[in-house]
Amino acid sequence: DIQMTQSPSSLSASVGDRVTITCRASQGISNNLAWFQQKPGKAPKSLIFAASNLQSGVSSRFRGSGSGTYFTLTISSLQPEDFATYYCQQYNSYPYTFGQGTKLEIK
Amino acid sequence: QVQLVESGGGVVQPGRSLRLSCAASGFTFSTYGMHWVRQAPGKGLEWVAVISYDGSNKYYADSVKGRFSISRDNSKNTLYLQMNSLRAEDTAVYYCAKIDIVLTLYRVGMGVWGQGTTVTASS
Repeated sequence: DIQMTQSPSSLSASVGDRVTITCRASQGISNNLAWFQQKPGKAPKSLIFAASNLQSGVSSRFRGSGSGTYFTLTISSLQPEDFATYYCQQYNSYPYTFGQGTKLEIK
Repeated sequence: QVQLVESGGGVVQPGRSLRLSCAASGFTFSTYGMHWVRQAPGKGLEWVAVISYDGSNKYYADSVKGRFSISRDNSKNTLYLQMNSLRAEDTAVYYCAKIDIVLTLYRVGMGVWGQGTTVTASS
């Protein structure tokens, strides 16, 4: 199985900050990577697919990049609604696997 | 608009069975594969199972293989997860999710999720 490792596990930041979350795959997955945002008590929301493509309706503050084994999610100019938990997921091969999550908190 | 609504969750004793449903609307259900993903309390996301658009191909996580069965009824626009021999560690919110691209199961994401249904396996 492909292991997905996110860092950091948690992150404190202020409104207006720029933050970057990284996700590493244990083997190459091309660009078959998605990012999700989850708020407490809610279903995950898809932000990015194919490593760098923004889902329809998602703010351009979110930017994904990477290929192979190393990926990043950057949020520019944090807004109050961005404080949530973020997950990466590989869909290169079954079983699909998720990173352990990064909790983004308000400083 | 695309909508997925899960149901069937509840409290069940370990060793018993439960069947979850996911009612789909707003798209041609019979042309899209579907996933189940779960989240234990306070934990991360875990992929559970996937089924192809016509039900001919299925994959499972090792943690549920042999105990859970994914199926679908395209005439009813409904996805199912039959869960047998439930364990305490199966306690989670279960989400169904739609594959993004028609007629394929491979190397494609899951952009639309339901709101989830909660399963608690406890005596």
